[in-house]
Amino acid sequence: DAGVIQSPRHEVTEMGQEVTLRCKPISGHNSLFWYRQTMMRGLELLIYFNNNVPIDDSGMPEDRFSAKMPNASFSTLKIQPSEPRDSAVYFCASSLADLGSYEQYFGPGTRLTVT
Amino acid sequence: SQQGEEDPQALSIQEGENATMNCSYKTSINNLQWYRQNSGRGLVHLILIRSNEREKHSGRLRVTLDTSKKSSSLLITASRAADTASYFCATDASGGYGNKLVFGAGTILRVKS
Repeated sequence: DAGVIQSPRHEVTEMGQEVTLRCKPISGHNSLFWYRQTMMRGLELLIYFNNNVPIDDSGMPEDRFSAKMPNASFSTLKIQPSEPRDSAVYFCASSLADLGSYEQYFGPGTRLTVT
Repeated sequence: SQQGEEDPQALSIQEGENATMNCSYKTSINNLQWYRQNSGRGLVHLILIRSNEREKHSGRLRVTLDTSKKSSSLLITASRAADTASYFCATDASGGYGNKLVFGAGTILRVKS
């Protein structure tokens, strides 16, 4: 299995531009998570989906952030307009959530720099 | 908000020594998980311990859980330079869909060869 795939790996953009981050979860997993990691705030959960449905988006910082999961194999996180304080590493993770609790598998991350 | 808090924030040891990291949390949990993150990489799951378990082993890893104290510890025995990484505990308090985890701030482990 290829694992969780994220693209791009690095993104440098100017303030005010739209940024779209992409994620392909592990085939067969039914939960998908978007995290943001910074030195100051650590690893924060932004939003997660179960069976393509957003379950908890309480971690999304502002209306500038939006996430979609149109099907079981693809998700996007969009920032519009981007700001310098959005600079961070964004991780996507997937898991097979069933009656028990299962580990999450993380992608390599997208390092976003907003200038 | 972070539920798990790791201690110490940073740890430096010699190769071959044991490394112990601690995690405290605030609310009742279904399970607690430990993850490792190498520099510039995503997190990798190491071990999961359920709320009704007290100790679990996986290779050189030993995890304990004390739900009365709301704390857990991760012991890495006979450490290697390759164990140099950040280690995070994550608590699962979700009662419904999926397994929403809350991660602590992490312990940075450096193993000197």
